[in-house]
Amino acid sequence: EVHLVESGGDLVQPGGSLRLSCVGSGFSFSDSWIQWVRQVPGKGLVFVSHINTEGSATSYADFVEGRFTTSRDNAKNTVYLQMNSLRVEDTAMYYCADIFSDYWGRGTLVTVSS
Amino acid sequence: DIVMTQTPLSSPVTLGQPASISCTSSQSLVHSNGNTYLGWVQQRPGQPPRLLIYQISNRVSGVPDRFSGSGAGTDFTLKISRVEAEDAGFYYCVQGTQFPWTFGQGTKVEIK
Repeated sequence: EVHLVESGGDLVQPGGSLRLSCVGSGFSFSDSWIQWVRQVPGKGLVFVSHINTEGSATSYADFVEGRFTTSRDNAKNTVYLQMNSLRVEDTAMYYCADIFSDYWGRGTLVTVSS
Repeated sequence: DIVMTQTPLSSPVTLGQPASISCTSSQSLVHSNGNTYLGWVQQRPGQPPRLLIYQISNRVSGVPDRFSGSGAGTDFTLKISRVEAEDAGFYYCVQGTQFPWTFGQGTKVEIK
């Protein structure tokens, strides 16, 4: 059975940092592109980032503005999202996914507040 | 960035009746390899999203055949032939043709 499990969400002050992790199992993780998608409670889905199978190519939404970095360690079946200079508007549930393979985690909640 | 626009944003439907959601992209979703990476995602209340349809019209394994996708270029449609209670929730189109990938605003399907 396919599993993606996110962790690392927390309450952090504006300007702070967090590192989210996404661990995959039950499929060939090293063959999967992985995306981060976020959702403000009660709002829609928003693409955040993407990383290719080797970790050599990444893409980010415009609002990231160089603050977030995604990376992966295929030996650990893990993708990371390093988030720096966090803003109140980054508050959301963060999902990792291989969208077009229909692999989704259950999300980890990031709250940015003073 | 490609902008994905869905209509309607809300769709009250009677059980057993059809429902249709449109999605228009600001530019063609035909990739240089000839494929069109347009998908439809369902999110039931309190649940993570799941993919229903990929590459315009291909149902993911286990998705009921009352769901169908169609379209080409910039105009796409998701149809539910006979809405069931479990279909209530939000539906999003998503394009994977050009980075950054983008989602539509979402359409709420609610049972009358």
